[in-house]
Amino acid sequence: AQTVTQSQPEMSVQEAETVTLSCTYDTSESNYYLFWYKQPPSRQMILVIRQEAYKQQNATENRFSVNFQKAAKSFSLKISDSQLGDTAMYFCAFTTDNYGQNFVFGPGTRLSVLP
Amino acid sequence: EAQVTQNPRYLITVTGKKLTVTCSQNMNHEYMSWYRQDPGLGLRQIYYSMNVEVTDKGDVPEGYKVSRKEKRNFPLILESPSPNQTSLYFCASSPTDRGRTDTQYFGPGTRLTVL
Repeated sequence: AQTVTQSQPEMSVQEAETVTLSCTYDTSESNYYLFWYKQPPSRQMILVIRQEAYKQQNATENRFSVNFQKAAKSFSLKISDSQLGDTAMYFCAFTTDNYGQNFVFGPGTRLSVLP
Repeated sequence: EAQVTQNPRYLITVTGKKLTVTCSQNMNHEYMSWYRQDPGLGLRQIYYSMNVEVTDKGDVPEGYKVSRKEKRNFPLILESPSPNQTSLYFCASSPTDRGRTDTQYFGPGTRLTVL
């Protein structure tokens, strides 16, 4: 079975500091996409960042970057210069290139940014 | 504006009373999916559809039905709701490339309570 593990149920960080959220996954496929989604208190699911597994270069989006270690099946999210608006639940997810394959989510990490 | 819409946003009902949650997307996406979100479990897939008239079970399909008669619409039907179906429900859509899904775009969520 394909799974996603997020080992940190809750984390906190001071405003303007840097925080890293962990994610590991398990799949036998070689080609897949990885994602981080953010869910603020409004409950809306918002895409933060996307990584294609065949690309060695780590994806970045402004203050958000990933550390993708394909051999270790690890996909951590780094948030730099944390802002109060980053307070949210963060979900790691992936999808493979199998026809109709499910999109698999982790259980989430609740991040609180403290003033 | 490209979006996924769901209705209703909030629903309180009683056990056994059939209900339908509608989902519509205006991005011409082939892939659509339904998830439920419960505390500590992340998002779990209920059903998905790769295209019109093509649907398949996700991880937790029991007690739910779907249909895909048009590309833009993917309603979720609860024929006889039970209290264990109380949850937050998300509809999502995604473009596909040779059968592989990519970034999922989510609706705003439907909070369902079954008494």
